[in-house]
Amino acid sequence: GAGVSQSPSNKVTEKGKDVELRCDPISGHTALYWYRQSLGQGLEFLIYFQGNSAPDKSGLPSDRFSAERTGGSVSTLTIQRTQQEDSAVYLCASSLSGNQETQYFGPGTRLLVL
Amino acid sequence: DAKTTQPPSMDCAEGRAANLPCNHSTISGNEYVYWYRQIHSQGPQYIIHGLKNNETNEMASLIITEDRKSSTLILPHATLRDTAVYYCIVRGIMTTDSWGKFQFGAGTQVVVTP
Repeated sequence: GAGVSQSPSNKVTEKGKDVELRCDPISGHTALYWYRQSLGQGLEFLIYFQGNSAPDKSGLPSDRFSAERTGGSVSTLTIQRTQQEDSAVYLCASSLSGNQETQYFGPGTRLLVL
Repeated sequence: DAKTTQPPSMDCAEGRAANLPCNHSTISGNEYVYWYRQIHSQGPQYIIHGLKNNETNEMASLIITEDRKSSTLILPHATLRDTAVYYCIVRGIMTTDSWGKFQFGAGTQVVVTP
């Protein structure tokens, strides 16, 4: 079956521009997660969705970062006024539910802010 | 969530078993041990997880010590395609205070050599 998909796979933008990253979770998965991975680093948790609500936004690094999820499916991570330090791979994962379920990851979006 | 400690790197000869250690000395009774791996430029891939019993699947075996303070992931016959960063994660169950966040550490860089 189809896994988690993310788009675009690569994004190059100029400092100060806004970007939107998209995640399509596995069909039927109610939980969705966003992570960020800077070059050579481990994964940094950003936000967790259960359905359309976000019980945990504690990982969002600043108010320039926001995310939404509509229809309990697709999620969009938006970064406003991008900075060079936002350059990273943004990974999305989904799980059947939020409780102890295995997370399945997408291939990520590689963001480069010039 | 309990923290984990893994060696930063290890080498393994192709065809031999790879034994990856993980310390999680502060693990609590309701926390699971998960293993993921990340091949270069890809999203993390689920390998296996367990609570207290040893587990085996088509990819690997997980050996958890009786006191649950450490575990070992075993890749029985390592191949070149097993070269990746391996993450050991301790994850709690969902409660009123916690939804069981995955916290990725630095992992172990495993290099399988011919």
